[in-house]
Amino acid sequence: QVQLQESGPGVVRPSETLSLICTVSGGSFTGSHWAWIRQPPGKGLEWIGYTFNNGQTDYNPAVESRATISVDTAKRQFSLKLTSLTAADTAVYYCARDEALGAFDIWGQGTMVTVSS
Amino acid sequence: DIVLTQSPATLSLSPGERATLSCRASQSIGASLFWYQQKSGQPPRLLIFDASNRAPGIPARFRGSGSGTDFTLTISSLEPEDFAVYFCQLRADRPPYGFGPGTKLEIK
Repeated sequence: QVQLQESGPGVVRPSETLSLICTVSGGSFTGSHWAWIRQPPGKGLEWIGYTFNNGQTDYNPAVESRATISVDTAKRQFSLKLTSLTAADTAVYYCARDEALGAFDIWGQGTMVTVSS
Repeated sequence: DIVLTQSPATLSLSPGERATLSCRASQSIGASLFWYQQKSGQPPRLLIFDASNRAPGIPARFRGSGSGTDFTLTISSLEPEDFAVYFCQLRADRPPYGFGPGTKLEIK
């Protein structure tokens, strides 16, 4: 059974860069879109972007200029870098899988990221 | 971008009652509409894919319907564990995913 686990810092300073990693255990790492989604406290969900195992990526235009998603197939990991952070980037960040369904059937537990000095 | 709206924002019902949640798209998306349930402190859980198909392990009391721009999630008889926030999500060309703002289903 596929499981996802996010890792990264809990607090990041304004204007700095957030780096998160999602480790995929169990199941196949190929044939799926691997996505980052975030949720500000008490608010809704926002898709950030995804990568395919061949390195193809796509991003939400709202964050496209600041986001980079990459994949390391050998380590079964994919990562998110988000630059020029502001308080508006404070959120729970989830990694998730879309196995060609058009929706996210497997999610990590999420990691809370607070942007604060 | 295609925008999803959900109504009502909050729905107050009692266990055993029927819940009807609405999701509307700003333009037609065919059947590319999905529903999630999210409980406090947990990630969302996929309930319905392609507007009307239950995801594996989802009880039969959850039913999705609709196509085009208007979609409905119906919970036939509420169980205590069904009180949560429900989000709809679309699949489109660009951007490929979008979420509605959510409906909070609370105990009356």
